[in-house]
Amino acid sequence: KQEVTQIPAALSVPEGENLVLNCSFTDSAIYNLQWFRQDPGKGLTSLLLIQSSQREQTSGRLNASLDKSSGRSTLYIAASQPGDSATYLCAVSVSGGGADGLTFGKGTHLIIQP
Amino acid sequence: DGGITQSPKYLFRKEGQNVTLSCEQNLNHDAMYWYRQDPGQGLRLIYYSQIVNDFQKGDIAEGYSVSREKKESFPLTVTSAQKNPTAFYLCASRGTRRGYTFGSGTRLTVV
Repeated sequence: KQEVTQIPAALSVPEGENLVLNCSFTDSAIYNLQWFRQDPGKGLTSLLLIQSSQREQTSGRLNASLDKSSGRSTLYIAASQPGDSATYLCAVSVSGGGADGLTFGKGTHLIIQP
Repeated sequence: DGGITQSPKYLFRKEGQNVTLSCEQNLNHDAMYWYRQDPGQGLRLIYYSQIVNDFQKGDIAEGYSVSREKKESFPLTVTSAQKNPTAFYLCASRGTRRGYTFGSGTRLTVV
């Protein structure tokens, strides 16, 4: 069964720093990987979607990489801002076998100190 | 703008009562999903539907039921058989390139 792990579970850094969030998954037979942001009490906002054939995706200050063979993805946030404070979730989409849906990690709770 | 609408935002259930959570999408997506989120745990899949009039159990379907009579709608009923229903419920749909879009959630509390 696919398992997704996110490290660290929590992170607090001063404003302006560049930072990296890590995600690993146990089964490399994924269709794609998606990074989400969740603010307290809110739904999930999609940040980046990486297909299994891709190595990385970029959106503004965010860059996500995917190494499917090693079961790893990273989310790089450049020049962090207090507004980036949220929980970041990594999820993989299963591939084939009649299964469907996303498997999620437990998230990284990020605090950017002003 | 296209998106997913969940209602109500907050819901309170008495012991032994069934309650229904609404999920509507105008994204023209075929596949829809229900997830449950508990503190300290990842999101867990309850039910999903890949097409109208068809749905499948996810990892934690016991105590829940769904219907999919219209493409736009995928309501979730939390039955009295669900012994620990207090949680945050999220509805999602899957679009092109298999990217997922989520609603804003319903927080259910047992009183």
